[in-house]
Amino acid sequence: EPEVTQTPSHQVTQMGQEVILRCVPISNHLYFYWYRQILGQKVEFLVSFYNNEISEKSEIFDDQFSVERPDGSNFTLKIRSTKLEDSAMYFCASSEAQIYGYTFGSGTRLTVV
Amino acid sequence: QKEVEQNSGPLSVPEGAIASLNCTYSDRVSQSFFWYRQYSGKSPELIMSIYSNGDKEDGRFTAQLNKASQYVSLLIRDSQPSDSATYLCAVTLDSGYALNFGKGTSLLVTP
Repeated sequence: EPEVTQTPSHQVTQMGQEVILRCVPISNHLYFYWYRQILGQKVEFLVSFYNNEISEKSEIFDDQFSVERPDGSNFTLKIRSTKLEDSAMYFCASSEAQIYGYTFGSGTRLTVV
Repeated sequence: QKEVEQNSGPLSVPEGAIASLNCTYSDRVSQSFFWYRQYSGKSPELIMSIYSNGDKEDGRFTAQLNKASQYVSLLIRDSQPSDSATYLCAVTLDSGYALNFGKGTSLLVTP
């Protein structure tokens, strides 16, 4: 079964450092998303991406965040200057069409110290 | 603030019984509704999607939607211990396609 692949599985970074989380969506999917889940809390929407541009973003997705699809397969989330409160599990997801449910990747656990 | 509400549980049912999970949402323009299962420490896994009022069945799972009451539910028949997980209700935000998740209901199926 096709999978969404995320790397790394766990990243520890110092406050103020930049991090890049990487995702390889399912190959025929056109819509890409980033969500996060702080420990013990609900899954929260960050951003959706289609046709090489952001289609929706949440209030969480401020100027510290950016997304990019640098080539035909990778989809990245960059956090420019990490804060302690950015510690969370970050999930990448993709879908074939917007109306369908997503396939989530296994996640990257980001720990900011 | 648009909300998706779920009882946090835990909901405990014996093996073989029917588990009933409920969800209410506040955004009247939501068009698509999903149930995800999340095992501890893992990512959400799509179980069911439903878009129109009524019931939709897939194997042991039945999703029910009532847009007038802003209510969506998931029934799991013949519950198995492997069904023990947190079940997340997700609803599209506004008229877009981003998902607003509930906090989830923890289900425990006891042998």
